[in-house]
Amino acid sequence: AQSVTQPDIHITVSEGASLELRCNYSYGATPYLFWYVQSPGQGLQLLLKYFSGDTLVQGIKGFEAEFKRSQSSFNLRKPSVHWSDAAEYFCAVGAAGGYNKLIFGAGTRLAVHP
Amino acid sequence: DAGVTQSPTHLIKTRGQQVTLRCSPKSGHDTVSWYQQALGQGPQFIFQYYEEEERQRGNFPDRFSGHQFPNYSSELNVNALLLGDSALYLCASSLYVPRTGENEKLFFGSGTQLSVL
Repeated sequence: AQSVTQPDIHITVSEGASLELRCNYSYGATPYLFWYVQSPGQGLQLLLKYFSGDTLVQGIKGFEAEFKRSQSSFNLRKPSVHWSDAAEYFCAVGAAGGYNKLIFGAGTRLAVHP
Repeated sequence: DAGVTQSPTHLIKTRGQQVTLRCSPKSGHDTVSWYQQALGQGPQFIFQYYEEEERQRGNFPDRFSGHQFPNYSSELNVNALLLGDSALYLCASSLYVPRTGENEKLFFGSGTQLSVL
């Protein structure tokens, strides 16, 4: 069955430090992978996506993610975190291709210390 | 250009009641998907509507039903509410591309917070 695992429930980093959020997926075919961010009381905003091609994808707000098929991973990274990055981050896989039906992980809550 | 709008923003119901949530898609979008997000969890896919028909469905009981109108807006209905139905209900809209059989980028609304007492 398709699934997404985000091993870290909560991460705290200092402002200006680097960040890596982990995501592992289970999917039988070539996955469509996404990272979304959710601020309190808000809907989900797409940070970046991987459909095919270059395994290192760039997104908005300075985020990037790397698809590693051999490790079934799609980790999100940012070289220098800003206080405004504090939010909940969700990794997702497109179960039916593209955006048709997304399966989300449980999320990682990011706190940023000044 | 308004994005995805959902109403109401908050709702309180009691067990056994029925509830209807509403969603207006982003302008130009023709597909609406509904997700349930329980506290501390990621969103779970409920179903997707296109051309006024349910096209895909997640693992939710028949108590969850929906409708899409000719103007592409959508409603989510939940009957016989249970305490476990308390969650944030997210609507997302997209544009279906018949040539590829896929939807273009998903836009999410801010959700309706449903509390069942």
